[in-house]
Amino acid sequence: QKEVEQDPGPLSVPEGAIVSLNCTYSNSAFQYFMWYRQYSRKGPELLMYTYSSGNKEDGRFTAQVDKSSKYISLFIRDSQPSDSATYLCAMKIAGAQKLVFGQGTRLTINP
Amino acid sequence: KAGVTQTPRYLIKTRGQQVTLSCSPISGHRSVSWYQQTPGQGLQFLFEYFSETQRNKGNFPGRFSGRQFSNSRSEMNVSTLELGDSALYLCASSSQGSSTEAFFGQGTRLTVV
Repeated sequence: QKEVEQDPGPLSVPEGAIVSLNCTYSNSAFQYFMWYRQYSRKGPELLMYTYSSGNKEDGRFTAQVDKSSKYISLFIRDSQPSDSATYLCAMKIAGAQKLVFGQGTRLTINP
Repeated sequence: KAGVTQTPRYLIKTRGQQVTLSCSPISGHRSVSWYQQTPGQGLQFLFEYFSETQRNKGNFPGRFSGRQFSNSRSEMNVSTLELGDSALYLCASSSQGSSTEAFFGQGTRLTVV
């Protein structure tokens, strides 16, 4: 079993919809939780990170962490075709540099 | 501010050869990490360097090695290439040793034939 599980999709939704992306994990030592966006033929781009449990909002993006359930989510409101990409969750323990990634979810927003 | 620069962008090598990939981190960043990305395994951690010292290593064979120079630029080397080494190799830099914000380069696409 992988430390971080993420449904690879693909996920296809109409423009304007609310998108929910999720990851589960097994290592309770993870303290930092990140979401990256990766366009085709590009490197991952950091969208948001949160420490421990709670919510964090940045524009149309909201990240949630539920450590008791070992479950993290990324919500995208008012989705745009330009949001079409692969979304990767990543996690790490405090004091470490190693990021453990989910498989990535390929998202398509249809105009 | 320039981002993370990886060279070359694309590379084709023959099985058995060796290859060296280069990464220039964001100016002022001292930590450089390397990852391998494949469709089957996703992104996997190779190793991390901080101030010219390897601090962490992933679960890859000894054919994969790296180094960091005094200007924080890093190289990774893969010897005796195998077909399964075909992947996108990504470098990430961060400013502090335990920074949560790691910035990735565009990667080097290695194809082994």
